[in-house]
Amino acid sequence: GAVVSQHPSRVICKSGTSVKIECRSLDFQATTMFWYRQFPKKSLMLMATSNEGSKATYEQGVEKDKFLINHASLTLSTLTVTSAHPEDSSFYICSARGTVAEQYFGPGTRLTVT
Amino acid sequence: AQTVTQSQPEMSVQEAETVTLSCTYDTSESDYYLFWYKQPPSRQMILVIRQEAYKQQNATENRFSVNFQKAAKSFSLKISDSQLGDAAMYFCAYRSDDTDKLIFGTGTRLQVFP
Repeated sequence: GAVVSQHPSRVICKSGTSVKIECRSLDFQATTMFWYRQFPKKSLMLMATSNEGSKATYEQGVEKDKFLINHASLTLSTLTVTSAHPEDSSFYICSARGTVAEQYFGPGTRLTVT
Repeated sequence: AQTVTQSQPEMSVQEAETVTLSCTYDTSESDYYLFWYKQPPSRQMILVIRQEAYKQQNATENRFSVNFQKAAKSFSLKISDSQLGDAAMYFCAYRSDDTDKLIFGTGTRLQVFP
């Protein structure tokens, strides 16, 4: 149980375009989902916290207009990187929290902006 | 603000031997949780072990155990009978009792030699 999926696993997009990453909790309802960014050989940096049906809470320094987060249902949250630039290239990881307060992580999405 | 420090960027161990990974944290809170996560080359974050601060007994999960020293704010992970599959990045993480946010350390890369 407690499986979290992410789609796509890797994506390449051109500079200036937008790309959407999906995070799904497959066998539990996630009241809260989290989005992290991980640079090569670095730790996970929390970008934002999303609660189902409400606006996401962004961490300091994260541009909310650039990284759009939607948590429309208890099993799906999406992260849209708008007007992507090469510096947005990174590994994005989501996690989902169920009723047990444990966080379960998705397998991550590698974004490359050319 | 809470911080998590992992002072060992890299560690190595011989197969079947025991290794200890260090983690210290700083907090003014009395109720919190501590975690060790493993991130293998696949980049999937895997929960290794969890410790509630109110519990004096050290958590154990098969070959993995922790040495939780609350007064010293220390939370080390001991891996016994190391296996090749234990090779990964290990992250120590903190979560306060009233928030779902995880604060990660910078990680320790563990190599296991046959």
